[in-house]
Amino acid sequence: EAGVTQFPSHSVIEKGQTVTLRCDPISGHDNLYWYRRVMGKEIKFLLHFVKESKQDESGMPNNRFLAERTGGTYSTLKVQPAELEDSGVYFCASSQGYGTYTDTQYFGPGTRLTVL
Amino acid sequence: LAKTTQPISMDSYEGQEVNITCSHNNIATNDYITWYQQFPSQGPRFIIQGYKTKVTNEVASLFIPADRKSSTLSLPRVSLSDTAVYYCLVGDRGILTGGGNKLTFGTGTQLKVEL
Repeated sequence: EAGVTQFPSHSVIEKGQTVTLRCDPISGHDNLYWYRRVMGKEIKFLLHFVKESKQDESGMPNNRFLAERTGGTYSTLKVQPAELEDSGVYFCASSQGYGTYTDTQYFGPGTRLTVL
Repeated sequence: LAKTTQPISMDSYEGQEVNITCSHNNIATNDYITWYQQFPSQGPRFIIQGYKTKVTNEVASLFIPADRKSSTLSLPRVSLSDTAVYYCLVGDRGILTGGGNKLTFGTGTQLKVEL
């Protein structure tokens, strides 16, 4: 079974540009999460989808970040316009969902974003 | 969400048993204890999860005392490849709210295994 995949693995952009990160969860997983680690800090939650609906977006830093999950499959996280402080590693995770006895989250390898 | 406290770093040698203890004095009734492992340039990887007493899988054991205010991750006979950061997380599993819940990561414990 394929794990969580993320694309691209690395992205280097200039301040003010737009970047879109993509996450493909494990097939059949209803829950999809975005986290990020900025330099020297802990991994922080950004938001949580249940299928195509945003269950919790309390961790989104500001309105420059837009996450979508059309059709309840893959998700995109767009940063527009990017700022220097957005540099970091963005992780995506997925878990099965309601009705299961476990909500084990499986993480992707992350996308390293560098804003110059 | 219950705050967790764990050592910043630990050193060990190959073949030894490593025990990493995590304190979570404010753990709530519905909270579970979950441990993740993270290697450089990779995402966190689930190791083990428990609610009380002892849980064991092919990778590790998790010991949780009756008061649940702490937990200990035990790694038997570590090898060089176990060098990683280990995170202790506490939270409810969101089973009643649609399944799933955000994870709150702390600084983790950097385990270094040497020959």
